[in-house]
Amino acid sequence: AQRVTQPEKLLSVFKGAPVELKCNYSYSGSPELFWYVQYSRQRLQLLLRHISRESIKGFTADLNKGETSFHLKKPFAQEEDSAMYYCALDYSGNTGKLIFGQGTTLQVKP
Amino acid sequence: GAVVSQHPSRVICKSGTSVKIECRSLDFQATTMFWYRQFPKKSLMLMATSNEGSKATYEQGVEKDKFLINHASLTLSTLTVTSAHPEDSSFYICSARRDGLNTEAFFGQGTRLTVV
Repeated sequence: AQRVTQPEKLLSVFKGAPVELKCNYSYSGSPELFWYVQYSRQRLQLLLRHISRESIKGFTADLNKGETSFHLKKPFAQEEDSAMYYCALDYSGNTGKLIFGQGTTLQVKP
Repeated sequence: GAVVSQHPSRVICKSGTSVKIECRSLDFQATTMFWYRQFPKKSLMLMATSNEGSKATYEQGVEKDKFLINHASLTLSTLTVTSAHPEDSSFYICSARRDGLNTEAFFGQGTRLTVV
């Protein structure tokens, strides 16, 4: 069955430190993966998707099919990056049906 | 960017009553919308896919008679929680996907339902 796992509930780093938010997935088909971010008191918004291979706000994520991972990385964390991050998998052939990981709270300390 | 609006943001209702939540795509058409439920400190769980002009498709374990979905136009989907019970209290979030290939889904701000 399809599944998305984010092993860390909370990741706390100091400003300027590198960040890696882990995401592993289980899916038999060709995965389409996303990272969503939710800032305090705001709605969920798309951060990036693997097919576009963009870098948004300094974040990147590479799909590793061998390790079934889609970790989110940023070389130098900023305080404004503090938020809840969700990894999500479109498990229905790009119809938009998403299964979300449990979410990781990123806390960037000054 | 595209905007999806949910109404109301918060609602309190009595046990046994029904409550309707609206999800609107304000500046784009969305043949497909999605309804999620989020329990405290948990992830979002897909409840159903709302299809304009046809019946909604529900995920396994979601009671279709309990959670009625209507998608009467290309910009509006409604979720009605019927005969609400305290265990239906939750955060309900909708998303709407702009029609087209490989398009992004935009999320509403969510509705906090409390059943007393």
